[in-house]
Amino acid sequence: SAVISQKPSRDICQRGTSLTIQCQVDSQVTMMFWYRQQPGQSLTLIATANQGSEATYESGFVIDKFPISRPNLTFSTLTVSNMSPEDSSIYLCSVEPKLQETQYFGPGTRLLVL
Amino acid sequence: SQKIEQNSEALNIQEGKTATLTCNYTNYSPAYLQWYRQDPGRGPVFLLLIRENEKEKRKERLKVTFDTTLKQSLFHITASQPADSATYLCALPGFSGGYNKLIFGAGTRLAVHP
Repeated sequence: SAVISQKPSRDICQRGTSLTIQCQVDSQVTMMFWYRQQPGQSLTLIATANQGSEATYESGFVIDKFPISRPNLTFSTLTVSNMSPEDSSIYLCSVEPKLQETQYFGPGTRLLVL
Repeated sequence: SQKIEQNSEALNIQEGKTATLTCNYTNYSPAYLQWYRQDPGRGPVFLLLIRENEKEKRKERLKVTFDTTLKQSLFHITASQPADSATYLCALPGFSGGYNKLIFGAGTRLAVHP
């Protein structure tokens, strides 16, 4: 298993600004994922962030809008850039430990853009 | 494209009864299927994984079936308790950009009443 923390837990931001969300894991993992979950909706994968390579973005998500860093095996950041109210959502990071086919999720960051 | 369907309506049951949640999928032949539990304000928590060659899997009061002909999984909670109230998500493996990923259904909210 893995224990994951995220910062901040919630934030209220102004339109046009950027927010960087941090994800910290208590063990070294290769595969890390960033999801978005809009109210009442399921999780939508934004990108896969593996240490040592550039993040792989899903259709509809681009690096300029959601730049990701993965400096080591226990940490990653997701930036939501030039925010608009449509970016209001919960952002979650998850990890898939080696040799396991399951994912462990952080508590999420609740973002409101005014 | 791959599609996962879960009953979007909330399931309300009486304490002590068996709750049965359904996950249907199309355009897909997954090697396994997973079920997660998500409480409000929290990230999903892994519950069970069932492989394509397994018909049924149990864990305490939980039972999952996997019918690859019907392309359906059923998730049962026996002797349900109010503490079982949550949203339950099914997830199937996908593949993107050289990495494995999970595709989540929208989830079904379960409410167990005393």
